[in-house]
Amino acid sequence: ELKVEQNPLFLSMQEGKNYTIYCNYSTTSDRLYWYRQDPGKSLESLFVLLSNGAVKQEGRLMASLDTKARLSTLHITAAVHDLSATYFCAVDKGSGALTFGGGTRLMVKP
Amino acid sequence: SAVISQKPSRDICQRGTSLTIQCQVDSQVTMMFWYRQQPGQSLTLIATANQGSEATYESGFVIDKFPISRPNLTFSTLTVSNMSPEDSSIYLCSVWTGQNTEAFFGQGTRLTVV
Repeated sequence: ELKVEQNPLFLSMQEGKNYTIYCNYSTTSDRLYWYRQDPGKSLESLFVLLSNGAVKQEGRLMASLDTKARLSTLHITAAVHDLSATYFCAVDKGSGALTFGGGTRLMVKP
Repeated sequence: SAVISQKPSRDICQRGTSLTIQCQVDSQVTMMFWYRQQPGQSLTLIATANQGSEATYESGFVIDKFPISRPNLTFSTLTVSNMSPEDSSIYLCSVWTGQNTEAFFGQGTRLTVV
């Protein structure tokens, strides 16, 4: 059974600081997603990582995937208040069926 | 990409009743899925909606409680049956269009059972 562990579950940051969210998973997969969710909203797709060593960046967020270590990271650079949200990683079990991590609730303080 | 329309967006229902949620996609898609997000929790896959055949349910979810239909490649429904307050959650439809694409999510249905 595929298990996805995300940490930390809660992160309080000051604006301008850097931090990394980690996503570990238990069985082989070559497709991993990062999503953002604002309160009361659905999921916003941030990144799709499709191969070992994949790295993608969008603004202050950068995601990477190491399929051998079964680890993905979401790095936040110089955080701003607008990044406050809950972030989920999700691993594809096959053909688009996803197993989600527990989520990281990020709070960026001005 | 795929545009997903999910209805209703929210509802408040009496316990013991049933609610059917609709998911319409703007193009034919290979796979459709239903997820549940309980308050303050992550998302859990309920089932894969199979076109023309019975849905494939994940552990802990059964057809009698969550019957699913998928009559064609662009439409699916999820029914939450005999509801109790524990069924209060957000229910989300998701689609996957192929190997080199991503999974897309609808806007979700926020269900409150009173």
